[in-house]
Amino acid sequence: KNEVEQSPQNLTAQEGEFITINCSYSVGISALHWLQQHPGGGIVSLFMLSSGKKKHGRLIATINIQEKHSSLHITASHPRDSAVYICAVRLDYGGSQGNLIFGKGTKLSVKP
Amino acid sequence: DAGITQSPRHKVTETGTPVTLRCHQTENHRYMYWYRQDPGHGLRLIHYSYGVKDTDKGEVSDGYSVSRSKTEDFLLTLESATSSQTSVYFCAISRMGNTEAFFGQGTRLTVV
Repeated sequence: KNEVEQSPQNLTAQEGEFITINCSYSVGISALHWLQQHPGGGIVSLFMLSSGKKKHGRLIATINIQEKHSSLHITASHPRDSAVYICAVRLDYGGSQGNLIFGKGTKLSVKP
Repeated sequence: DAGITQSPRHKVTETGTPVTLRCHQTENHRYMYWYRQDPGHGLRLIHYSYGVKDTDKGEVSDGYSVSRSKTEDFLLTLESATSSQTSVYFCAISRMGNTEAFFGQGTRLTVV
């Protein structure tokens, strides 16, 4: 069973489009992370959030704890946004020692 | 970018040989993690450390051992590499167990 589900798995968009990537989870969490991975590259942390909404440039992340759902939005998408976006959750029980559970990622391709 | 360096970045090794991957950080973060990334799976935790000489197993620890003799270095050892250990390995650090995680660039290991 997958405790963290992302949708869609793959997404192709035209430059300038508004993009939404979704993450649903089935466990109690203390925080949710959104990460970005470019092809052949390392993993970059975009957001860590436990409630509400965060914004950084053209990226917006929201979380609804009651519904166990988070979304990552990209406004005015650009080809350089092409990457795999990964959702990860941090469990909320004391024994977790900060361990993260990861989704399988959403591969985004933005065409010029 | 967080100061995390993984070495080597790429390695090809033969089945049955020992392999050690190194993660070095300059951030003085308490927590360090080793993950593996495989197609069709989210990142999976191999081992983690919550302080010098303090380590614990993760989800996929069989066939791996770790050591942390200094705050800045976390070593992952494959005692006798197998083809199933062909993967991309990521090191991550966090200041505490519930704070933002920062990832290294990854090590691509191929066992032939």
